[in-house]
Amino acid sequence: GQQVMQIPQYQHVQEGEDFTTYCNSSTTLSNIQWYKQRPGGHPVFLIQLVKSGEVKKQKRLTFQFGEAKKNSSLHITATQTTDVGTYFCAGRGDTGNQFYFGTGTSLTVIP
Amino acid sequence: DSGVTQTPKHLITATGQRVTLRCSPRSGDLSVYWYQQSLDQGLQFLIQYYNGEERAKGNILERFSAQQFPDLHSELNLSSLELGDSALYFCASSVEVRGYEQYFGPGTRLTVT
Repeated sequence: GQQVMQIPQYQHVQEGEDFTTYCNSSTTLSNIQWYKQRPGGHPVFLIQLVKSGEVKKQKRLTFQFGEAKKNSSLHITATQTTDVGTYFCAGRGDTGNQFYFGTGTSLTVIP
Repeated sequence: DSGVTQTPKHLITATGQRVTLRCSPRSGDLSVYWYQQSLDQGLQFLIQYYNGEERAKGNILERFSAQQFPDLHSELNLSSLELGDSALYFCASSVEVRGYEQYFGPGTRLTVT
């Protein structure tokens, strides 16, 4: 079956350092979404990427969809304590309606 | 506040019992998704409904069932509960069946003892 893996599983950074999480799918995705879940909270939608090679930016966050539409990345520049949480990617296959959530990357920012 | 409501917030029950979790989607959203989140499994997609009809099925056990009612609220029924069913159950809603962001509810924390 389809699998979406994320690395790393955990990341601890000093405040001000950059952070990147990578998402890899076993099959081609029609689109990919990113969500953030704060500790004790629920996932919150961040962005959706649809086109091959697409890059989108939200302030300090940069999202990228791979050329082959099988991988994606989220990069945070100069992390802040407010960035703490678990970041999930979620990909939809070329057929069907199901979204496959990645395993998540838990980010800890040390002040 | 995402606009998605889930009740109850917490549920403690014994093995072998049956529970019903309820979800009300955001106003105007026709699609409802159910997810299970446990510490070692991440977010597992269970099932999706769109305007009352089942549209996608994920890793949902036969002991679990769901439905979406004409007023678009949804219920997830979990029966013959086992210790391993203890998890956070999220409901999410979206406008359409494909390609739109999902808005998650606050979740129901189920503890099976």
